[in-house]
Amino acid sequence: QLQLQESGPGLVKPSETLSLTCSVSGGSISSTNYYWGWIRRPPGKGLEWIGNIYYSGTTYYNPSLKSRVTISVDTSKNQFSLRLSSVTAADTAVYYCARLGAPRKFEYWGQGTLVTVSS
Amino acid sequence: DIQMTQSPSSVSASVGDRVTITCRASQGISSWLAWYQQKPGRAPKLLIYTASSLQSGVPSRFSGSGSGTDFTLTISSLQPEDFATYYCQQANSFPYTFGQGTKLEIK
Repeated sequence: QLQLQESGPGLVKPSETLSLTCSVSGGSISSTNYYWGWIRRPPGKGLEWIGNIYYSGTTYYNPSLKSRVTISVDTSKNQFSLRLSSVTAADTAVYYCARLGAPRKFEYWGQGTLVTVSS
Repeated sequence: DIQMTQSPSSVSASVGDRVTITCRASQGISSWLAWYQQKPGRAPKLLIYTASSLQSGVPSRFSGSGSGTDFTLTISSLQPEDFATYYCQQANSFPYTFGQGTKLEIK
């Protein structure tokens, strides 16, 4: 059974960089059939897609965050990561990693991790 | 960006009721629509993909329909475990976008 687990600091200061890692177990991140994505949910709001990455490193980002987002993959560790720079309180959210399978469905999700931006 | 609008924003219903949630896209998305269920403190769970395909393991009381701009999620006979928030999501083009959510509450 595929499992995804987010990890990273739960508290980030304004203007700093948020960094999260998603560890994948029960399957290979190098599979040619899947993309891997990040989605977030700010408190009291709906879901927002952040971006996707393929094992080769090809990325797609939400234009609303593109100038601040970097998603990368480490196939040797079976992990992919999110970096979001210059954070503000508006970036406070539960961050989820997920697998995007065919046809275009987020079928596996991590449990989510709350990141709070505060000094 | 494609805007996804769900209605209603919230609905109260009883166990055994039939409930329909609607999702409208701001432009045509063919059948590239998914539905997710989310409970408090839990990750979203995929219910339906490509508008009407039932994800493996999801009870058959859940069904989806529609294409183009108008879509529906129907729960044929509500069970206690179905009270949650439901989101639609378009996968026609980047950036993927979600509806604002429909909270299904117990009457």
